Amino acid sequence: EDQVTQSPEALRLQEGESSSLNCSYTVSGLRGLFWYRQDPGKGPEFLFTLYSAGEEKEKERLKATLTKKESFLHITAPKPEDSATYLCAVQGTGGYQKVTFGTGTKLQVIP
Amino acid sequence: DAGVIQSPRHEVTEMGQEVTLRCKPISGHDYLFWYRQTMMRGLELLIYFNNNVPIDDSGMPEDRFSAKMPNASFSTLKIQPSEPRDSAVYFCASSLVGGAKNIQYFGAGTRLSVL
Repeated sequence: EDQVTQSPEALRLQEGESSSLNCSYTVSGLRGLFWYRQDPGKGPEFLFTLYSAGEEKEKERLKATLTKKESFLHITAPKPEDSATYLCAVQGTGGYQKVTFGTGTKLQVIP
Repeated sequence: DAGVIQSPRHEVTEMGQEVTLRCKPISGHDYLFWYRQTMMRGLELLIYFNNNVPIDDSGMPEDRFSAKMPNASFSTLKIQPSEPRDSAVYFCASSLVGGAKNIQYFGAGTRLSVL
């Protein structure tokens, strides 16, 4: 069974204070690892897909990286508008289109 | 496109009542997913469809839950009878395999409260 563990559960940063969120996973053959952002009262919104170890993707202040066992979401010089819950998910080769989500990291960026 | 549309946004009902949640996927998408989100368990996949056919319903918690997709533009998730422990936010998502690399697009969710 595919598993995703995210840490920390919550993170509080000062504006401009860079940090990283962790996503550890176990999957029987990785088809893709996804990062989503979820704002309160809304559905998850897609950020990145990573497919193989060593791959990196960037979008504004966010950068996602992937190894064989974990993924990191690096946040550089965050702003208050980056405050949200960040979800990691994996899709394995065994479950066809099934995606397994972690419980997320709730990020708060303080001005 | 308006994105994935769910209704109602909020539902408050009493234990034992039937609840029906509705979803309209993005036009042209061939996969539809139903999820439940709680603080304790996060986002859990309940069931998903491919071209209106249920593929995997192993996440459906009990026989009280059922889902249908009568056509490509509409799906329902029904709970009968509802119980307080069903209180959660229910999300619908759709994707296009072979399109944007299996990205799932989520609706805004239905917040269900069973009293």
